[in-house]
Amino acid sequence: DSGVTQTPKHLITATGQRVTLRCSPRSGDLSVYWYQQSLDQGLQFLIHYYNGEERAKGNILERFSAQQFPDLHSELNLSSLELGDSALYFCASSDGTGEIAFGYTFGSGTRLTVV
Amino acid sequence: AQTVTQSQPEMSVQEAETVTLSCTYDTSESDYYLFWYKQPPSRQMILVIRQEAYKQQNATENRFSVNFQKAAKSFSLKISDSQLGDAAMYFCAYRRRQGGSEKLVFGKGTKLTVNP
Repeated sequence: DSGVTQTPKHLITATGQRVTLRCSPRSGDLSVYWYQQSLDQGLQFLIHYYNGEERAKGNILERFSAQQFPDLHSELNLSSLELGDSALYFCASSDGTGEIAFGYTFGSGTRLTVV
Repeated sequence: AQTVTQSQPEMSVQEAETVTLSCTYDTSESDYYLFWYKQPPSRQMILVIRQEAYKQQNATENRFSVNFQKAAKSFSLKISDSQLGDAAMYFCAYRRRQGGSEKLVFGKGTKLTVNP
């Protein structure tokens, strides 16, 4: 157990639907990062939150959004899903100081399949 | 642009032997971090080793060590005494800082097979 919890582990949904992926960071970590891993694009950074505030966006589609709540858990919302959104979505956390005390800790991912 | 290149899509090694995975990166920063992550079939991303760019000494974690060549922007991973459990995808990553944020930039990965 890495200390970063992602739910659900697997998700199968139809095109056009909306899903929410959840991430609880490791205790004490203020930063949450979302990554998408697909066969053709590899691991791509989506978005970074620090203590509830959005800090940076990467290759995140407009159909996707995220937020970090006061208890520091984060949710990634994916809407109007397309077949190409099928991927493994990772959440990672860090202490947010930038000093990499423990590096970035990844959750076990959510496997999203859009049919 | 900051990029990470892993030129070996696949590698194989005999159990108990040594293997080296290559990684090169491109950056204009002078202070940064580099990482190797392991992704076994379970899909979990596991930190193997990290290197601070300001440290000239190569990082070592048990059977895993790196050869960090800052001028050449090279960061290879050496696995000694390979074990069956080392079979996995290995990703090299660079931490990019930008403003008040940071992110990991990953290479495409190297699939390592360990033969008994």
